[in-house]
Amino acid sequence: DTAVSQTPKYLVTQMGNDKSIKCEQNLGHDTMYWYKQDSKKFLKIMFSYNNKELIINETVPNRFSPKSPDKAHLNLHINSLELGDSAVYFCASSQDSGGGRKSFFGPGTRLTVL
Amino acid sequence: KNQVEQSPQSLIILEGKNCTLQCNYTVSPFSNLRWYKQDTGRGPVSLTIMTFSENTKSNGRYTATLDADTKQSSLHITASQLSDSASYICVVSSSGTYKYIFGTGTRLKVLA
Repeated sequence: DTAVSQTPKYLVTQMGNDKSIKCEQNLGHDTMYWYKQDSKKFLKIMFSYNNKELIINETVPNRFSPKSPDKAHLNLHINSLELGDSAVYFCASSQDSGGGRKSFFGPGTRLTVL
Repeated sequence: KNQVEQSPQSLIILEGKNCTLQCNYTVSPFSNLRWYKQDTGRGPVSLTIMTFSENTKSNGRYTATLDADTKQSSLHITASQLSDSASYICVVSSSGTYKYIFGTGTRLKVLA
């Protein structure tokens, strides 16, 4: 019954590796997001997809590439991982992209780059 | 520059007491303001969403207020419980640009 799920929950990897985080929502929402929360607990939006189309692409390195195979999934692929990528990554979804609807967040993926 | 500032940074109160968290923003044009609660190790959970025309909105013991003129919002927690211990994040979205600007949060600790 999980509304927004992410895998894996924890990810520990070496610098330079490529890794993916998966996100799925079963709420029937049109819009999905990726957020990064750093060590100071500051949340920052990275990407937003509406009906599989990219609508927000904040200033993030192009090593980060989101992929939305369908409306219910938004995966995040990260190439050439760096120490500064260590953070908690949250996936979220909402009914629409207009901003007026509540967003539901996943449990987060804690990424540690060694 | 679009900014959202929250105060205090952290707060400790005794169980049963009330408290008020503040959020000041400079986001323009304004679309809506949200308050989220984030428990340690979990994703944020939405408490309230307010648009320009709404002055107050309640969700159980949580009451949010919005003054769009002064660009201030507050989150009042009544009769606090131990489970209220969490970070509370204010988020303001800008209309037409899909921008979400997050505050740095207030970390609340409720003691027995």
